[in-house]
Amino acid sequence: DTAVSQTPKYLVTQMGNDKSIKCEQNLGHDTMYWYKQDSKKFLKIMFSYNNKELIINETVPNRFSPKSPDKAHLNLHINSLELGDSAVYFCASSGVGDYTFGSGTRLTVV
Amino acid sequence: DAKTTQPTSMDCAEGRAANLPCNHSTISGNEYVYWYRQIHSQGPQYIIHGLKNNETNEMASLIITEDRKSSTLILPHATLRDTAVYYCIVRVAWSGGGADGLTFGKGTHLIIQP
Repeated sequence: DTAVSQTPKYLVTQMGNDKSIKCEQNLGHDTMYWYKQDSKKFLKIMFSYNNKELIINETVPNRFSPKSPDKAHLNLHINSLELGDSAVYFCASSGVGDYTFGSGTRLTVV
Repeated sequence: DAKTTQPTSMDCAEGRAANLPCNHSTISGNEYVYWYRQIHSQGPQYIIHGLKNNETNEMASLIITEDRKSSTLILPHATLRDTAVYYCIVRVAWSGGGADGLTFGKGTHLIIQP
């Protein structure tokens, strides 16, 4: 069973569109995150949620809106997509122990 | 979290031990040293962590100097599948979860040569 799963794995869309990326974890962790890895390969945290409550909101455009319906899910919705949003987005979760990352969603905005 | 310094890239022959250094001269007393790696197109993967004693698990060994200002990750018998970017991260002691994310630097791109 995949511990942290993201869908879709690949997403190609046009500028101006709205898209969502879904993330689910079956580890029973209380905390979930979204990270962005740009073309230069830097991994940066975007958001973290603890028990459905937003904890960290780094300097991210408000076109990005995370939603946590329950502590096992953290979805990322992006409005009015721009070329610069092209990147790989990783979901992660943490509990007592360590961080577990998903396999990533490669978003390409054309 | 304290800053770390790692070489940009390293080569290692397949079957040999790969030794990846990390400097963390400003590490605080309650900060652990964590190592993660990212194989191409995959999410980061936990390898090992330690506070001040040397640690070993099925993947690697971690050697931390007595003054804790530097550490070395050792992959004892490197294989081609160990080619990846390796990140050394220092962070405060695990506190039952928390919500502070990991701060990734540039890491070391380890290339295992056949």
